[in-house]
Amino acid sequence: AQSVTQLDSQVPVFEEAPVELRCNYSSSVSVYLFWYVQYPNQGLQLLLKYLSGSTLVKGINGFEAEFNKSQTSFHLRKPSVHISDTAEYFCAVSTSSGGSYIPTFGRGTSLIVHP
Amino acid sequence: DSGVTQTPKHLITATGQRVTLRCSPRSGDLSVYWYQQSLDQGLQFLIQYYNGEERAKGNILERFSAQQFPDLHSELNLSSLELGDSALYFCASSAGTAKSYEQYFGPGTRLTVT
Repeated sequence: AQSVTQLDSQVPVFEEAPVELRCNYSSSVSVYLFWYVQYPNQGLQLLLKYLSGSTLVKGINGFEAEFNKSQTSFHLRKPSVHISDTAEYFCAVSTSSGGSYIPTFGRGTSLIVHP
Repeated sequence: DSGVTQTPKHLITATGQRVTLRCSPRSGDLSVYWYQQSLDQGLQFLIQYYNGEERAKGNILERFSAQQFPDLHSELNLSSLELGDSALYFCASSAGTAKSYEQYFGPGTRLTVT
């Protein structure tokens, strides 16, 4: 079985500062990794994904994440955040289980950007 | 806009009642997933349908059921509602092929049981 741990439930940061949202996973098989963002009163939107290949993946809105297999981590980073980045961020991991790629989501990290 | 639609947006009902939530997937997507999001449980996978057939089951209660119709829209039926069923219910869709790893989420239905 797979699991995801988002180490911080809340991350406050000032505008234009860098940010890192941490995600660790556990799985006994090869994994596919995702970050989703949820703005208030909206559904989840895919930010970026790692399926294979380069361990550094770039997503929308200037976000990027690095897959580290030895540390089973997939941390999300942005060099300079904006007020509009205030949202809930979810890390997810999926594996091919019976042909069905059902993701397991972390509990989420609330990114709060202060002016 | 993800292309996934859900109705209604809000639903308020009483304990013991039954409700139906509706989801229309993105055009061309064959898979539909239902999730429940609550403060204490986080985002929990309930059930997946692929082209009309149940494909995977998660933490779905026996009081809940779902189906996917020939036009690929899906309905989630919640019965004998309890206060603890109050939550956001999301539908997501994907192409459903082996290469379609990411899911596209609808805006959700907020269910309040009083």
